[in-house]
Amino acid sequence: QVQLQQSGPELVKPGASVRISCKASGYTFTSYYIHWVKQRPGQGLEWIGWIYPGNVNTKYNEKFKGKATLTADKSSSTAYMQLSSLTSEDSAVYFCAKHYDYFDYWGQGTTLTVSS
Amino acid sequence: DIVLTQSPATLSVTPGDRVSLSCRASQSISNYLHWYQQKSHESPRLLIKYASQSISGIPSRFSGSGSGTDFTLSINSVETEDFGMYFCQQSNSWPQTFGGGTKLEIK
Repeated sequence: QVQLQQSGPELVKPGASVRISCKASGYTFTSYYIHWVKQRPGQGLEWIGWIYPGNVNTKYNEKFKGKATLTADKSSSTAYMQLSSLTSEDSAVYFCAKHYDYFDYWGQGTTLTVSS
Repeated sequence: DIVLTQSPATLSVTPGDRVSLSCRASQSISNYLHWYQQKSHESPRLLIKYASQSISGIPSRFSGSGSGTDFTLSINSVETEDFGMYFCQQSNSWPQTFGGGTKLEIK
C-alpha cells in the first residue's frame, strides 16, 4: 500500500535551517509528483511547491521561493524539503503528499517549532 | 491566485442530520475541485475528486456537486466520526489553493 513516512518533529533556533524528509513506498516514486503543504496551528493549508522525482523538476509557490528548496533521492525513494532562515512564522506542521491533480496520499506531517 | 471561500466557517450539527458545506471560487475552475476531511492531529484525507467523483473506501454518505465557481459537499446523515475540518482544493491553475475550511462540530 502507498505510504509516505515523514521525519520526526524538529525544534530549531531562529536563523537556522532544517531539512524534512518524506520516504515513499508502495508505488513508483519517479512517476508521481510529491507536493509539500504547510499548516499553521488552527489554520488552513498552504501549498509550498512540488518536485517530480523522475526528472527532479520543481515548481514553487512564489511566496516560498528562497525559503523552501525541494530535492529528491531516487535511490531511496525519498523527497526532501529544506527550509532556510527560519523565523517563528515558519513554525507549523509540514506535510508531503503524493499528487495526481488531487492529493491522494499524505504523510503524517512533521511539526517544526522555531524558538530560541 | 484563485481564492476559495468556504462557508460556513463552523457548522454545529446533530448526528443524523444532513449537511451541506459550500466552497466558492473567485473565478471559474470547471470541475477541478477536490474535498478533504481532516481530523485533529491527523493528515487530510481525500473525500471527493473533480467535484463529484467518489473515492474508494469513502462512505457513500459523502457526495459532491457543482461546477464553475460554486461547489457543495453533502453529508447524508452525519455520524460522530465525521466531525472535524473540511477543506476544498482547486487544481485548475497554479498555485493550487485551498479553502480556509469548515469546522463540523457536534451541537
